Amino acid sequence: GAVVSQHPSWVICKSGTSVKIECRSLDFQATTMFWYRQFPKQSLMLMATSNEGSKATYEQGVEKDKFLINHASLTLSTLTVTSAHPEDSSFYICSARDQVTLRWITEAFFGQGTRLTVV
Amino acid sequence: QKEVEQNSGPLSVPEGAIASLNCTYSDRVSQSFFWYRQYSGKSPELIMSIYSNGDKEDGRFTAQLNKASQYVSLLIRDSQPSDSATYLCAARHGSSNTGKLIFGQGTTLQVKP
Repeated sequence: GAVVSQHPSWVICKSGTSVKIECRSLDFQATTMFWYRQFPKQSLMLMATSNEGSKATYEQGVEKDKFLINHASLTLSTLTVTSAHPEDSSFYICSARDQVTLRWITEAFFGQGTRLTVV
Repeated sequence: QKEVEQNSGPLSVPEGAIASLNCTYSDRVSQSFFWYRQYSGKSPELIMSIYSNGDKEDGRFTAQLNKASQYVSLLIRDSQPSDSATYLCAARHGSSNTGKLIFGQGTTLQVKP
């Protein structure tokens, strides 16, 4: 089945530093990738939609200058949390849409998530 | 009003029983609905998708959709302790197949041996 690989699975960083999270589609071309954030005991909240070769579309209330998204190829999207602060500590999850086949309908392909802790 | 609402639970059922999870949505034009299971510290995994009114069965799982009443449910038969997890209901926003997914807050299911 389709696989989405997310790296790293966890990261601890100091306040004020930047962290980059990668999301790769391993066996399909992902023209669209989605970035979610999940705080403890809360649901997934869509942060932005990343389209290959174009600017990401951010959801209301998400700072685009703080959460930089780059989708430079059909298999890789990155999320960079800039100047991270403790309130950015969360579980970040990407998902990818396979537009070539009908599998994109389900959007079932989630990465394994990245646990970010800012100290 | 949240776009997708679930009872956060926890819902506790004995092993072997039927677990019933419910979800309501507010976007009347939504056409696609999904149930995901999420274990603690893990990302969601798709269990069922449903697009038409009625029931859809897959093994021990049955999804039910009623568009007139705007609710979706998931039944888990013969519940097992390994089914203990948080179940997320999601609706695709709008009528397009490219709409974003809106998730409910999830229902925690506890299956007791």
